[in-house]
Amino acid sequence: QEKVQQSPESLIVPEGAMVSLNCSFSDSASQSIWWYQQHPGKGPKALISIFSNGNKKEGRLTVYLNRASLHVSLHIKDSQPSDSAVYLCAVSMVLQQGTGSKLSFGKGAKLTVSP
Amino acid sequence: GGIITQTPKFLIGQEGQKLTLKCQQNFNHDTMYWYRQDSGKGLRLIYYSITENDLQKGDLSEGYDASREKKSSFSLTVTSAQKNEMAVFLCASSIQGGERLFFGHGTKLSVL
Repeated sequence: QEKVQQSPESLIVPEGAMVSLNCSFSDSASQSIWWYQQHPGKGPKALISIFSNGNKKEGRLTVYLNRASLHVSLHIKDSQPSDSAVYLCAVSMVLQQGTGSKLSFGKGAKLTVSP
Repeated sequence: GGIITQTPKFLIGQEGQKLTLKCQQNFNHDTMYWYRQDSGKGLRLIYYSITENDLQKGDLSEGYDASREKKSSFSLTVTSAQKNEMAVFLCASSIQGGERLFFGHGTKLSVL
């Protein structure tokens, strides 16, 4: 079973700061790695994904993947109070029956952006 | 866009009781999932279904049953609620083989 570890567990930053979240996974045969955002009382919402080594940028978000070290990171530029949420790292694995993919989630990182 | 509706939002049960959670989606997605979220733990997959009347066990299926009678709906039954159990159950859907999941807002379960 895929193991997904996230760090830090929580962080508090001032508005405008750069935020960095880390995630390590155990299986190099994994497919894409996803980052989800979850606000209190809501379901997780997909933010960004990456499959190939390197980086991918979408707006204020940049994700870096290093498959050799089994590590992925999410960086949020110019953080806003509305970014305050739990961020979940999820690793996709192909199901044995070939029926699709299964996501294994980390425990999450709670981000608080103070005005 | 579409939406996933989970009912009820809050569910309070008694120890040993059978409890049913429901989920409806209007994305016309083939695959639907049930995840359990406990404080301090990652989301854990209970059951998933790749099409109507299909059921596949996840990592945490013991103690649960599921039903997919229509493409748009997926229900989960807690067969015997455990005392002091407290968790959020999240329903999700995706296109077949898709990695991007769309989640509902969850059902919060408390067992007295």
